[in-house]
Amino acid sequence: KNQVEQSPQSLIILEGKNCTLQCNYTVSPFSNLRWYKQDTGRGPVSLTIMTFSENTKSNGRYTATLDADTKQSSLHITASQLSDSASYICVVTPTNNDMRFGAGTRLTVKP
Amino acid sequence: GAVVSQHPSRVICKSGTSVKIECRSLDFQATTMFWYRQFPKQSLMLMATSNEGSKATYEQGVEKDKFLINHASLTLSTLTVTSAHPEDSSFYICSASLQGAEEKLFFGSGTQLSVL
Repeated sequence: KNQVEQSPQSLIILEGKNCTLQCNYTVSPFSNLRWYKQDTGRGPVSLTIMTFSENTKSNGRYTATLDADTKQSSLHITASQLSDSASYICVVTPTNNDMRFGAGTRLTVKP
Repeated sequence: GAVVSQHPSRVICKSGTSVKIECRSLDFQATTMFWYRQFPKQSLMLMATSNEGSKATYEQGVEKDKFLINHASLTLSTLTVTSAHPEDSSFYICSASLQGAEEKLFFGSGTQLSVL
């Protein structure tokens, strides 16, 4: 069983709408949790990074939240744009630095 | 910001040949680099962790003689897929770690390998 579970697997929304992606993890203890955006055929690009003591972090229209008690994180995208169409990957790094990747959520923004 | 350059972006080769992929940190020194592979619609899978000047640490199930990793300097790591076969066709990505107050990870743009 993967230690990092993301949901939904895929999501289609209309341009301008908001959406929230979920990441549940069992990795413990962990050093940090990151969200990446990966365009098809490209390397991932970092959106946010949070340590276990942080609850929220924003990067423009992207806001990540973290609940270390329930081991859940979410990525909220506001006022979506066509260019937001990509895969969003949650990565949890335990204290032994052995990164664990979620399978990603494939977001499609339609006009 | 920090940049990691990966080359080539796409390579097509015949079965049995070897392919070398380069990963360079352009404006910082990366003591640690990572290599991943990704099959279509699947998550990134860590293949190996590479530290400058020492042997790479391979993940379970990854053949070290098949995937040769060399990290000769603080800015360059290479992955050589030896005697490539069609099942090796995949998207290969590297990343470089920048140590500081907050460890940051920067990814290359990936290499799409197609073995005929």
